[in-house]
Amino acid sequence: NAGVTQTPKFRVLKTGQSMTLLCAQDMNHEYMYWYRQDPGMGLRLIHYSVGEGTTAKGEVPDGYNVSRLKKQNFLLGLESAAPSQTSVYFCASSLGGLDEQYFGPGTRLTVT
Amino acid sequence: ELKVEQNPLFLSMQEGKNYTIYCNYSTTSDRLYWYRQDPGKSLESLFVLLSNGAVKQEGRLMASLDTKARLSTLHITAAVHDLSATYFCAVEDSNYQLIWGAGTKLIIKP
Repeated sequence: NAGVTQTPKFRVLKTGQSMTLLCAQDMNHEYMYWYRQDPGMGLRLIHYSVGEGTTAKGEVPDGYNVSRLKKQNFLLGLESAAPSQTSVYFCASSLGGLDEQYFGPGTRLTVT
Repeated sequence: ELKVEQNPLFLSMQEGKNYTIYCNYSTTSDRLYWYRQDPGKSLESLFVLLSNGAVKQEGRLMASLDTKARLSTLHITAAVHDLSATYFCAVEDSNYQLIWGAGTKLIIKP
């Protein structure tokens, strides 16, 4: 099992550009999450999904959109990147909402 | 609004010593998680604490939860260099989302 994978691992964007981060899991988990991690802070939840075709907003959803068209994939989109979105993005999945989360390796995004 | 605080945020210690990391949270919750993150790496689940008085141990790490005091502790016994990492606690809020502490960076010197 690959677990949770993320692509790309690194990306540099100019302000105003758009991009999509892909998260895939092969554990048949229902729940998937997107977090951002900034220096000196804990993780903050951006969006999450409780099942295929569903998404919901987390703590810091502004400037991001998500889609979960297939159970194993969870996409995070930035329509118009801003320097404030420079961060490390982690995807995670869990079997249920109260279960431990399994994390992907992260995507380091820099917006100049 | 649930807030989660970890203390200390940075800890440098010698191998062989014992120490405790604290995780305080501001509102009622019955579910708390501990994770480990190595530099530049992803997060790995250590413990899931589901009820008041829960205690879990794995090797040199032991975690406990006191929901009445809104406090969890992560105790390190006879620390070894391999335990150097950043440790995060996360608490479930009323919307079933995890609110994370800022992390405790632990450096264990040989």
